Amino acid sequence: DTEVTQTPKHLVMGMTNKKSLKCEQHMGHRAMYWYKQKAKKPPELMFVYSYEKLSINESVPSRFSPECPNSSLLNLHLHALQPEDSALYLCASSQGGDWGTTEQFFGPGTRLTVL
Amino acid sequence: GIQVEQSPPDLILQEGANSTLRCNFSDSVNNLQWFHQNPWGQLINLFYIPSGTKQNGRLSATTVATERYSLLYISSSQTTDSGVYFCAASYDKVIFGPGTSLSVIP
Repeated sequence: DTEVTQTPKHLVMGMTNKKSLKCEQHMGHRAMYWYKQKAKKPPELMFVYSYEKLSINESVPSRFSPECPNSSLLNLHLHALQPEDSALYLCASSQGGDWGTTEQFFGPGTRLTVL
Repeated sequence: GIQVEQSPPDLILQEGANSTLRCNFSDSVNNLQWFHQNPWGQLINLFYIPSGTKQNGRLSATTVATERYSLLYISSSQTTDSGVYFCAASYDKVIFGPGTSLSVIP
C-alpha cells in the first residue's frame, strides 16, 4: 500500500479563521513533508519531519504551524492566513529518515482558498 | 542548491505519437523521480531513477547521473497521458523542475 491520505479535500476559510490540514500514512515511513503548490507552478517544500522531529522549515511564515503527533500523522495548523496563501497543499512521505535519498509518495492534496 | 530544468515547457501530441521529455540538473544528485500530475492535482509516481534505465508499460526513463540529465519516454500516447510531468531531484533536499505540460489530442 503506497497511500497517503489528506483531509479535507477542499477548504475555504476567512483570514481570521483557524483551521488544520491533516495527513496520514501507514507505510511505516519515517519522513513526512508539506509542500505548497500555486497554479501552473511546481510544488515548493515547506517543512520536513524526520523521525517525528522538524528537520527543515523553509522560512515559512509563522501563520503556518506544522505538527507531527506520531510517525503516521502530520498536521498543518493555519491561522490568520492571507489570500495569497490560497494554493494546493500537498503532503508526502518517504521511507528513510535520510529524507533526501528515498522515494517520495504524495497525497491527493488539500485545495485551500482564503477569502 | 541544485537547479532543475525541464524541456520542453509545453507539448501537444496527436494520440498514438511518441515523445521524449528531458530533465537537466546542475549538480550531483542521489535521488531523481518523475511524476505525472493529473488535472485533479494528484502527483502520481512514475519512476524513482537516480541512475540507469527503467520501463513500465508505455513509459520508460533513463538517468545519466554523470552527465546530469534524465529522460522520460512516452510511447503510443493516450489522452489520459495529458497533464504536467515533473522531475524532482535531490541531494540534501528535493527540488522540482518547472514541469512539462502535455496535451494529447484525439
